[in-house]
Amino acid sequence: DGGITQSPKYLFRKEGQNVTLSCEQNLNHDAMYWYRQDPGQGLRLIYYSQIVNDFQKGDIAEGYSVSREKKESFPLTVTSAQKNPTAFYLCASSIEGGTGNEQFFGPGTRLTVL
Amino acid sequence: DAKTTQPTSMDCAEGRAANLPCNHSTISGNEYVYWYRQIHSQGPQYIIHGLKNNETNEMASLIITEDRKSSTLILPHATLRDTAVYYCIASTGNQFYFGTGTSLTVIP
Repeated sequence: DGGITQSPKYLFRKEGQNVTLSCEQNLNHDAMYWYRQDPGQGLRLIYYSQIVNDFQKGDIAEGYSVSREKKESFPLTVTSAQKNPTAFYLCASSIEGGTGNEQFFGPGTRLTVL
Repeated sequence: DAKTTQPTSMDCAEGRAANLPCNHSTISGNEYVYWYRQIHSQGPQYIIHGLKNNETNEMASLIITEDRKSSTLILPHATLRDTAVYYCIASTGNQFYFGTGTSLTVIP
């Protein structure tokens, strides 16, 4: 089965701890993206990567970090510097960034910081 | 990316066509119109996208006006499973800006 997987579906952490969210795709897509969604709101772009070993900040990158060491993996770390980390986090991928390609989304990880 | 404007909510009777409008008056020549939908607590699902011409697939039809300043997503025979938030996005395909979308409720 081809697709995007995010794990875990629900994640709980104590305030002040860093936490890493997993995103894996076996679609052979070059571009990958991380979004954040708050209740009743649309998605906001955190980081995106158009190719391995390269990534760019989105609209709300502060308090987050990413890496893209492998084509199929794009983990997101929510650091203790992120002031309001509790949210629904969505990962997406596309064949290549830009050029009118659609993005395909994973099922999301709901992070709750206690 | 150009901003889009959508109605906050709409209702549609089951079995009827659902027509969801979107305004994107500042869209640039290389930006596509994308439609996604999201059912509560799930990842957004791609529906359709187009540049200038009208498009149709197994899920929906996309009608783009000649001046490209607005578009309409048509679900030809709405079912209860089509109840969701629908997002219209104008983008080159890189950074997507998701607004609050249109909450469509299909009524039995």
